[in-house]
Amino acid sequence: AQTVTQSQPEMSVQEAETVTLSCTYDTSESDYYLFWYKQPPSRQMILVIRQEAYKQQNATENRFSVNFQKAAKSFSLKISDSQLGDAAMYFCAYRSSQGGSEKLVFGKGMKLTVNP
Amino acid sequence: NAGVTQTPKFRILKIGQSMTLQCTQDMNHNYMYWYRQDPGMGLKLIYYSVGAGITDKGEVPNGYNVSRSTTEDFPLRLELAAPSQTSVYFCASSYSNTGELFFGEGSRLTVL
Repeated sequence: AQTVTQSQPEMSVQEAETVTLSCTYDTSESDYYLFWYKQPPSRQMILVIRQEAYKQQNATENRFSVNFQKAAKSFSLKISDSQLGDAAMYFCAYRSSQGGSEKLVFGKGMKLTVNP
Repeated sequence: NAGVTQTPKFRILKIGQSMTLQCTQDMNHNYMYWYRQDPGMGLKLIYYSVGAGITDKGEVPNGYNVSRSTTEDFPLRLELAAPSQTSVYFCASSYSNTGELFFGEGSRLTVL
């Protein structure tokens, strides 16, 4: 079974600075999807960024980018120019691309605090 | 633009009571999911459905039941509430197995 590990339960960053959130995963599959989800204090979870394992290029969405290291099974999220609105729980997630595996496997999450 | 709607947002139950958490989505998504989120434990999948009339167990299905009679609705039933079911419950949906899930706002359930 696949597992997702977020080893840092909490981090903090100063406003306008850059922070990197780490995530590792374990799988025997070669094709899969990886995600970062954000859960603000209002609790509704939203997708931040997605990476297909077959793509070598790291995904980028505005101030959010990933460092995807397939051999190392590492999938870190970099937030540039941090803003107060980035404060939230962040969850790393894995999804198999195999048919019948529609489920996401989540890490335990990491709480990000942004200091003004 | 409703998306995924869950009701109720908060509920307190006594041990042994039953209740249903409602979930509806207006995006015509085939895939729907129920997760529970315990403090410091991330999200765990309870049940999921790949289309109307089809449901399957997730990681932690014991004590719960689901049905999927329509594409829009995916209610979660707790038959005999136990304190271990105190949690925040999230319903989610997705169009396909590409992985982008759309979540509801959550339902906080307390069993005393």
